[in-house]
Amino acid sequence: DVVMTQSPLSLPVTLGQPASISCRSSQTLVHTDGNTYLNWFQQRPGQSPRRLIYMVSNRDSGVPERFSGSGSGTDFTLKISRVEADDVGVYYCMQATHWPPWTFGQGTKVEIK
Amino acid sequence: QVRLVESGGGVVRPGRSLRLSCAASGFSFSSYGIHWVRQAPGKGLEWVADISYDGSNKYYADSVRGRFTISRDNSKNTLYLQMNSLRPDDTAVYYCTNIGITPAFDCWGQGTLVTVSS
Repeated sequence: DVVMTQSPLSLPVTLGQPASISCRSSQTLVHTDGNTYLNWFQQRPGQSPRRLIYMVSNRDSGVPERFSGSGSGTDFTLKISRVEADDVGVYYCMQATHWPPWTFGQGTKVEIK
Repeated sequence: QVRLVESGGGVVRPGRSLRLSCAASGFSFSSYGIHWVRQAPGKGLEWVADISYDGSNKYYADSVRGRFTISRDNSKNTLYLQMNSLRPDDTAVYYCTNIGITPAFDCWGQGTLVTVSS
């Protein structure tokens, strides 16, 4: 099974400052079709998760431009250019290249300092 | 509007059974594989099971294989999860979701809480 490892697990951030979350996989997430199936999800307190980024770097409709995804192979990053109060929550990476199982990272809790 | 609505959660004794349902609307349900993902209290997301668009292929997490059965009725746009031999560590909010597999859309239900306790 592919293990997804996120860091840090807790991320206190000052409003208006950038934030960065790392996600590493135990094996390359490049599929035989050439695509990399790595998604990022946001889960606000008391809500269901929602996808922010699909296939490494594609932002979902309605997701603010301050969110961006990057990376390749086994190393991926979610960046928030300027954190807003609305960004508080837990962020998960998830791989869908090698399945089953589909696997999530442990989650990174973003909070305001 | 794409929508998934789970139901069937509740409190159940260890060893007993429960069946969850998930009603889909707003998209072509019969064209997509769909998953159950759970989240224990205060914990992260754990993938549980997946079923292909036509029900011909099913996959399970090791933690539930042999106890849980995923199924679907495309005529009713409904997904199911039959949970047998429930254990306290099955306590979680259960979400039905496409886990954003398709670039076209991402969809999660509101979740239904299953509590296994004596």
